[in-house]
Amino acid sequence: QSALTQPPSASGSPGQSVTISCTGTSSDVGGYNYVSWYQQHPGKAPKLMIYEVTKRPSGVPDRFSGSKSGNTASLTVSGLQAEDEADYYCSSYAGSNNPRVFGTGTKVTVL
Amino acid sequence: EVQLVQSGAEVKKPGESLKISCKTSGYSFTNYWIGWVRQMPGKGLGWMGIIYPADSDTRYSPSFQGQVTISADKSINTAYLQWSSLKASDSAIYYCARLGKSGYEADYWGQGTLVTVSP
Repeated sequence: QSALTQPPSASGSPGQSVTISCTGTSSDVGGYNYVSWYQQHPGKAPKLMIYEVTKRPSGVPDRFSGSKSGNTASLTVSGLQAEDEADYYCSSYAGSNNPRVFGTGTKVTVL
Repeated sequence: EVQLVQSGAEVKKPGESLKISCKTSGYSFTNYWIGWVRQMPGKGLGWMGIIYPADSDTRYSPSFQGQVTISADKSINTAYLQWSSLKASDSAIYYCARLGKSGYEADYWGQGTLVTVSP
């Protein structure tokens, strides 16, 4: 089972928007609406930002939104703020024989 | 308050065995899957496997099948990750995480356990 493909980096100025893609296959991203997104700051544990493609946990700003089309899921961060600078990982359910699979990760830089 | 508290950093030699823990509190341990995630130095996240503590149903990612053992002790609300013979390539940070009610996303995470394997 290969990792989901994400761009290594993305950037934007404060107030702008950035969108991160997460490409898989019909066996994972495309086959289920169980894509989640995680934010990880250096030296910290990951934090859940989006689950089931579009849902936001309590406490996550509505600047974060998720979507999916075919085998590609996306995370959009609107109104970029300095604290959004972090690594972001997608994850997808990949069937009962494979717990889950992560994306390769994207480093978001706020210019 | 949901909490997952992991055991402390470990320094081991190749060939040694190791068992790290993830003690949970603030929720019903047997009603949620627990997962383990590896992060090698400077690298991304990788799912290792998940366990359902109520019946110890365990699923391993193909890359980790046979390499580690995941277990849980319902009496003390604790999950474990163990190795029988460590390799240098096992050096990493290991996170435990609770999977949410649907079972597909990790909604609470432990602080991570750093494992260093060196001769």
